[in-house]
Amino acid sequence: DFQMTQSPSSLSASVGDRVTITCRASEGIDIYLAWYQQKPGKVPELLIYAASTLQSGVPSRFSGSGFGTDFTLTISSLQPEDVATYYCQKYNGTPRTFGQGTKVELK
Amino acid sequence: EEQLLESGGGLVQPGGSLRLSCAGSGFTFASHAMSWVRQAPGKGLEWVSALSSHGAFTNYANSVKGRFTVSRDNSRNALYLQMNSLRAEDTAVYYCAKDRGTSRPDAYDMWGQGTMVTVTS
Repeated sequence: DFQMTQSPSSLSASVGDRVTITCRASEGIDIYLAWYQQKPGKVPELLIYAASTLQSGVPSRFSGSGFGTDFTLTISSLQPEDVATYYCQKYNGTPRTFGQGTKVELK
Repeated sequence: EEQLLESGGGLVQPGGSLRLSCAGSGFTFASHAMSWVRQAPGKGLEWVSALSSHGAFTNYANSVKGRFTVSRDNSRNALYLQMNSLRAEDTAVYYCAKDRGTSRPDAYDMWGQGTMVTVTS
C-alpha cells in the first residue's frame, strides 16, 4: 500500500523558532504534494500545493519544497496562531493518501 | 462566497446504512472533482473516496470499497456518499472537499464543516 510518512509526529517550539516538518512518499509523486493545517476543533485548510506553491492568503512564513519522494514544510518564524496539526497529502492518482500528521505546540 | 455544507450524519447501528449529502455553492460545482475525507475522533485525516467532475470516474479507499458509493448530481450542485454495512471503525467526522483545479487531480482548496457519523449498538 502507498504510504506517506511524516516526521516528527509532534514537536514543541518557541515563538520565533524555525520549524521543519518532513513528509516521505513510498513511491515518487513528482510535485503532487499538498500541505494542510488543522487547528484544534477546526476544518483543515490548504497551505501549499504542488509541493511549493503557497495557497492564496497563507502567510509567507510558510514554505514548501521537495520533489519525488521527499518533501518539507517550513515555518520560518513560528507564531502562536500556528499551533495546529499539519498533514501532507499526495494527490496524483488514488488513493490520495494523507500523512499521519504532525502536531505543533508552543514551548 | 464559496461553500460546502454536509448533512446526513447521525447515529446508526453496526450493519446499518446512512446517506451523506454535500451541497456546494458559490463556484461552478460541475467543473470540479470532489472527494470525501473522514477523521475518526482524535485521529488523523483519511481519504475515503473521489469522484470526477462529470461523475464518470470513482475511486475508493480499500477500507470502504464495496460498502460505500459516491455519486453526484451536478444539476443540484450536490455530492453524496451512500454508506452500507457500517462498522464501528467507520465512526468519524466526514468532510466533503473540492479539488482546487478543474483539469487534473489537485489539492483540496475547500472543505465542508463536516458531519459526524457514529456507528454503535
